[in-house]
Amino acid sequence: AQSVTQPDIHITVSEGASLELRCNYSYGATPYLFWYVQSPGQGLQLLLKYFSGDTLVQGIKGFEAEFKRSQSSFNLRKPSVHWSDAAEYFCAVNGGRGGKLIFGQGTELSVKP
Amino acid sequence: DADVTQTPRNRITKTGKRIMLECSQTKGHDRMYWYRQDPGLGLRLIYYSFDVKDINKGEISDGYSVSRQAQAKFSLSLESAIPNQTALYFCATSDFFGQGATGELFFGEGSRLTVL
Repeated sequence: AQSVTQPDIHITVSEGASLELRCNYSYGATPYLFWYVQSPGQGLQLLLKYFSGDTLVQGIKGFEAEFKRSQSSFNLRKPSVHWSDAAEYFCAVNGGRGGKLIFGQGTELSVKP
Repeated sequence: DADVTQTPRNRITKTGKRIMLECSQTKGHDRMYWYRQDPGLGLRLIYYSFDVKDINKGEISDGYSVSRQAQAKFSLSLESAIPNQTALYFCATSDFFGQGATGELFFGEGSRLTVL
């Protein structure tokens, strides 16, 4: 069965510092992978997605993620965090034509001034 | 106007009451979903529908029912609400998975339900 693990429940970084949020998935073949962001009181917005091709994908708001098949990982990165990046981030996997996304537990990001 | 609209946005009710959460979409997607969000648990799938005549249980369907009234409308019901159904509920839509579509979900803004 497909599953997604986000090992870090809460991360705090200083504004301007770099960020990496971890995501590990379980699936037998190449999955479709997504990162979503949820700002306080808002719905979920797609940051980026991977489904084939270049393993480094660029998203909105300066985020990028790298698919590493050997590590079953799809970590999200940003070189310099802004205070407005404070939010909850969800990794998700869609492993088949069933079309259902399975979400990780989420990582809450806090940004220090 | 939002592409995926949920009503109500906030609701407080009492144990044993029947509650309906409604979702409508203007994206023209066939597929619609109801997820529940709880702190530390992420989003869990309650029910999903791939077209008007297709309804499927997700991982946590007990205590819930759904109705797909039209391609654009998908409602979630709690027949007899209980306190552990207090959560944030999201409706989402997606394209057909395949033929260039990746199964990306488009979310409503959520319905916060509190059961006392």
